Amino acid sequence: EAGVAQSPRYKIIEKRQSVAFWCNPISGHATLYWYQQILGQGPKLLIQFQNNGVVDDSQLPKDRFSAERLKGVDSTLKIQPAKLEDSAVYLCASSSGRGNYGYTFGSGTRLTVV
Amino acid sequence: DAKTTQPTSMDCAEGRAANLPCNHSTISGNEYVYWYRQIHSQGPQYIIHGLKNNETNEMASLIITEDRKSSTLILPHATLRDTAVYYCIVRVFGNQFYFGTGTSLTVIP
Repeated sequence: EAGVAQSPRYKIIEKRQSVAFWCNPISGHATLYWYQQILGQGPKLLIQFQNNGVVDDSQLPKDRFSAERLKGVDSTLKIQPAKLEDSAVYLCASSSGRGNYGYTFGSGTRLTVV
Repeated sequence: DAKTTQPTSMDCAEGRAANLPCNHSTISGNEYVYWYRQIHSQGPQYIIHGLKNNETNEMASLIITEDRKSSTLILPHATLRDTAVYYCIVRVFGNQFYFGTGTSLTVIP
């Protein structure tokens, strides 16, 4: 099966600019996650979707971050305006919710804010 | 979900077994032990999981102590491609995965 697709692979922006990341999960996976991974740390969950509804966004900085999954398939994560501390890899993951095998992750988008 | 403790880094000679320990002394009865790894510039990859019994798949073996307070991931014949950060996570089925900082394993030629 095809994996989780993410784009772009890399992005460099200036602080206060906006940026958007795209994720296409594995076909049929109802649950989609966005993680932020700062250099030297493990991934931190930002938001979880079940189909097109938000299950948990408690760790999403809502003053600048937003995410949507309008048709319950692909998803977009946006940052507006970006800060220097937003420099990180943004990972998307999906799961079917069946079985107990965990998530499948994409390769991520590396964001550098200068 | 219970917290885990892992060594920050380990080395292993190529071709030898790599044994990665994990302590999870506060694990509860319905929490599974999961292992993921993250190779440089890639997303985390699922390796194996278990509840009580030891488990083996094509990638690794998972040994869980009888009291379930610790576990060991075994890569039987480490290769250079196994150089990665390995995350041990305990999780109730259906809950989210919370990643710590993991163990950075370096396989040495």
